[in-house]
Amino acid sequence: QKEVEQNSGPLSVPEGAIASLNCTYSDRGSQSFFWYRQYSGKSPELIMFIYSNGDKEDGRFTAQLNKASQYVSLLIRDSQPSDSATYLCAVSLPSGGSYIPTFGRGTSLIVHP
Amino acid sequence: EAGVAQSPRYKIIEKRQSVAFWCNPISGHATLYWYQQILGQGPKLLIQFQNNGVVDDSQLPKDRFSAERLKGVDSTLKIQPAKLEDSAVYLCATSSANVLTFGAGSRLTVL
Repeated sequence: QKEVEQNSGPLSVPEGAIASLNCTYSDRGSQSFFWYRQYSGKSPELIMFIYSNGDKEDGRFTAQLNKASQYVSLLIRDSQPSDSATYLCAVSLPSGGSYIPTFGRGTSLIVHP
Repeated sequence: EAGVAQSPRYKIIEKRQSVAFWCNPISGHATLYWYQQILGQGPKLLIQFQNNGVVDDSQLPKDRFSAERLKGVDSTLKIQPAKLEDSAVYLCATSSANVLTFGAGSRLTVL
């Protein structure tokens, strides 16, 4: 079964620390990789996407992709209490000639002052 | 640009009743998705439309769920009859360059 796996957490880090969130996926044919943030009671919103192996940086956020290991991660530097949320990994999994955006269960991040 | 509009925001029904959710996508976005998100879980895709054609509905419980997208714009998701386990948030999303934009969601409680 095609899956996207995340540790549900919670991951607790002190303010100012680096938070590291991880995700693995089952299908080597996957093309696009996304991180969404979801605050309690709200809808997911895009943080970053990455298509190629390596790192992609955007402000305090860095996405890392390793297709050989089928692994994607998100690093949040200088974590702030406002970063406390659930982080959803999404992967475009191939299915019948199309790509289906498939989500993991999400990792809950708590940043404490 | 205007976002993805969904209604109703909240709905409480008893089991075996029916319910319908409506979604109006971002103008020009051809791909529309319905996801089900149960508390504590990630969104699960129910159905994906490309214009008014179905791309994937493999996880849609077709004995009770149905969805349509009229003229490739608005979409409706219907549940009939509802079960207790259908209690969830139903998220509509559209995409541009594979990036999803979600509506606010419709929270369903089945008693």
